[in-house]
Amino acid sequence: EPEVTQTPSHQVTQMGQEVILRCVPISNHLYFYWYRQILGQKVEFLVSFYNNEISEKSEIFDDQFSVERPDGSNFTLKIRSTKLEDSAMYFCASRGGTPSRYFGAGTRLSVL
Amino acid sequence: KQEVTQIPAALSVPEGENLVLNCSFTDSAIYNLQWFRQDPGKGLTSLLLIQSSQREQTSGRLNASLDKSSGRSTLYIAASQPGDSATYLCAVVNTNAGKSTFGDGTTLTVKP
Repeated sequence: EPEVTQTPSHQVTQMGQEVILRCVPISNHLYFYWYRQILGQKVEFLVSFYNNEISEKSEIFDDQFSVERPDGSNFTLKIRSTKLEDSAMYFCASRGGTPSRYFGAGTRLSVL
Repeated sequence: KQEVTQIPAALSVPEGENLVLNCSFTDSAIYNLQWFRQDPGKGLTSLLLIQSSQREQTSGRLNASLDKSSGRSTLYIAASQPGDSATYLCAVVNTNAGKSTFGDGTTLTVKP
């Protein structure tokens, strides 16, 4: 069964460093999403992406964040200068012609 | 602003029992509602999605209902099994391609 894959599974970085989280959505999907889940808290929407542009973003998704679909398969989330509070599980999701969103297993980001 | 609440926060039942998980939302102008399962430290697995025009969806032992006017959805699990132990999340989507709002989840434990 097709699945959303995310790499790395765990990323450790120093505060102030840039990180790029990578996702390979399901191949024929057209809508892409990033979410985050701080330990013990709700899953929070960050951004949706369609037709090579951001469709919608939350107040969390400030100038420190950016997304890109650099080629036909990858979808990335960049955090320019990480803060301690960026430590969380980051989930990528995608959807195709049906409304269901399919999630990856997540990347655990630890900012030290 | 959409707010999603799930009750109860935790539930422990003996194997074989039927159970109901509740999800309520404040803005009834939804596009769809999706129920997920999350195992500890893992990603989200889609269980059922109900479109705004639908009243219920069924998959195996799971049945989800939606009452938009009252801002409620329920997830019914029949004949619960220990393998059903997980956190169950509901997510409300307000627009076709955009933001989804998650509840805090209900953590279910099914005892053998």
